Amino acid sequence: AQSVTQLGSHVSVSEGALVLLRCNYSSSVPPYLFWYVQYPNQGLQLLLKYTSAATLVKGINGFEAEFKKSETSFHLTKPSAHMSDAAEYFCAVSSNDYKLSFGAGTTVTVRA
Amino acid sequence: EAQVTQNPRYLITVTGKKLTVTCSQNMNHEYMSWYRQDPGLGLRQIYYSMNVEVTDKGDVPEGYKVSRKEKRNFPLILESPSPNQTSLYFCASRVAGPLSDTQYFGPGTRLTVL
Repeated sequence: AQSVTQLGSHVSVSEGALVLLRCNYSSSVPPYLFWYVQYPNQGLQLLLKYTSAATLVKGINGFEAEFKKSETSFHLTKPSAHMSDAAEYFCAVSSNDYKLSFGAGTTVTVRA
Repeated sequence: EAQVTQNPRYLITVTGKKLTVTCSQNMNHEYMSWYRQDPGLGLRQIYYSMNVEVTDKGDVPEGYKVSRKEKRNFPLILESPSPNQTSLYFCASRVAGPLSDTQYFGPGTRLTVL
């Protein structure tokens, strides 16, 4: 069975500061990992995904994530936060039956 | 435009009154799924369908029904809603291809059961 743990339900950063959202996974098969973003009152939008082609994955809006098999992690980063990055972020792992198993989510607040 | 649509977007109802939330996708995807989102719990899968007439339970199926009579539609049925089904519901679809393929989500339906 697959599962995802997101460390920290809320993260507050200053505008221009580094954004770091932590995600650890467990999987009995080689994982496919995803980060989704949910802006207020909207659905989920794919930020980036790991498909085993490269361990450092670049996504939209300046986000990137690094897959570390030894640490079973897939942390999301952005070098410089913008006010528009305020949202909820979900890490997810894909399972054999196409189900996505989601973490509990991390809400990002950006301070001016 | 490729999209997943859900209706209604907002619904307030009372305990026991049957309701249906519709989901439709225009991408010819084989796989469709329903999730519910609750604070602190992330998204949990309710039911999924691998193709027409093929459905199966997810992690939290109690109190829900689905059907898949057409490839594009996957309605979620609550025969006797209860307050603990108050939640934000998302429909999603994807191709039945590599596990790395992306799931596409609808805009969500916010349901309140009084």
